Amino acid sequence: DAGVTQSPTHLIKTRGQQVTLRCSPKSGHDTVSWYQQALGQGPQFIFQYYEEEERQRGNFPDRFSGHQFPNYSSELNVNALLLGDSALYLCASSLGGRTYGYTFGSGTRLTVV
Amino acid sequence: DQQVKQNSPSLSVQEGRISILNCDYTNSMFDYFLWYKKYPAEGPTFLISISSIKDKNEDGRFTVFLNKSAKHLSLHIVPSQPGDSAVYFCAASAQNSGYALNFGKGTSLLVTP
Repeated sequence: DAGVTQSPTHLIKTRGQQVTLRCSPKSGHDTVSWYQQALGQGPQFIFQYYEEEERQRGNFPDRFSGHQFPNYSSELNVNALLLGDSALYLCASSLGGRTYGYTFGSGTRLTVV
Repeated sequence: DQQVKQNSPSLSVQEGRISILNCDYTNSMFDYFLWYKKYPAEGPTFLISISSIKDKNEDGRFTVFLNKSAKHLSLHIVPSQPGDSAVYFCAASAQNSGYALNFGKGTSLLVTP
């Protein structure tokens, strides 16, 4: 049973560029949440997608956007990258929008130079 | 605004002894608390949780205690094993006000033989 799959695993981008990160949820899960983990910090909630809609958003600027597809997979897009966007981006899937029962992926390490 | 705080960045314990990891929170609306364990290059994995209607939850070697009046929870690992060496994150959510998990910064546990 595949868990949460994130791609790519590592990425280097230049300041000002745009990036797209991808997430496939665990089989049977229909909800995807995205978190940003900066070095030495705990994960911070970016947003959650359920039924192809953004259901809740954390304290992140509009440069961060997302999408959920009919097969429940999701994308996180970040525009106009800043050096401070360098972080580990974690995707978590769950069922019915629950915060318990989360399964996290291994993350995408984004470095902005 | 850090609503979940883990004030000990690191903890070292001998194998076989008890490990106690602490967590404080400031938001009285939190009603569900979780502990996650994270190894390097992996996503966080769920360890144990507790609802605010309980003050203790046990699962094998892991026990979580909740003191609502003090807004404090702790994770006890007995006996500690070298494989328990990882970063432990405390997280909290308020089910009636959203779906996000609020994480602490984590405590790095080292269990020595």
